[in-house]
Amino acid sequence: KNQVEQSPQSLIILEGKNCTLQCNYTVSPFSNLRWYKQDTGRGPVSLTIMTFSENTKSNGRYTATLDADTKQSSLHITASQLSDSASYICVVRERNTGNQFYFGTGTSLTVIP
Amino acid sequence: EAQVTQNPRYLITVTGKKLTVTCSQNMNHEYMSWYRQDPGLGLRQIYYSMNVEVTDKGDVPEGYKVSRKEKRNFPLILESPSPNQTSLYFCASSPGQGALGANVLTFGAGSRLTVL
Repeated sequence: KNQVEQSPQSLIILEGKNCTLQCNYTVSPFSNLRWYKQDTGRGPVSLTIMTFSENTKSNGRYTATLDADTKQSSLHITASQLSDSASYICVVRERNTGNQFYFGTGTSLTVIP
Repeated sequence: EAQVTQNPRYLITVTGKKLTVTCSQNMNHEYMSWYRQDPGLGLRQIYYSMNVEVTDKGDVPEGYKVSRKEKRNFPLILESPSPNQTSLYFCASSPGQGALGANVLTFGAGSRLTVL
């Protein structure tokens, strides 16, 4: 069964600190993995995408990694800011199927001053 | 501006009173989908559509209907709402497979529904 699991479920960090969020998936065949940021009460917005051949991709203070062999991805946030407080959702796309996207339940990040 | 528009954004209704949540996208996307989001459960797919007149059930379709008569619109219909359908609903769209940007979902702002 295709699944996406994220950890931790929630995380509280001090402003300026770094953190890493985890995503494990069993989706096969794998096409790509994308991280979304969702502010409270709003729709998710794409942060970065990882394809099968990519190991690392950065978007400002966000760096995503992918290990396609172990089916794990991480999202590293550097020098956190209060505006980073949000839910981060891992979404995996299955290759060559009609219903394309599998969602993790998200990690809720709170950055405190 | 490229966007997915949902209406209404907020709605309070009573059990059994039919309602429709509209969703419209202006990006000529082939794929559209509805999700509900509940605390601790994440986003769960209700229905999706690969193209006009093509719809299929997601993970939690019970109590919902959809239609895709035009490419840009994908309304979500609750024929007889019940309190367990109280939730935050999101519509999303994506280009068709093989198209540029096919791997990204663009979400609407959400519709918060309360059924009393």
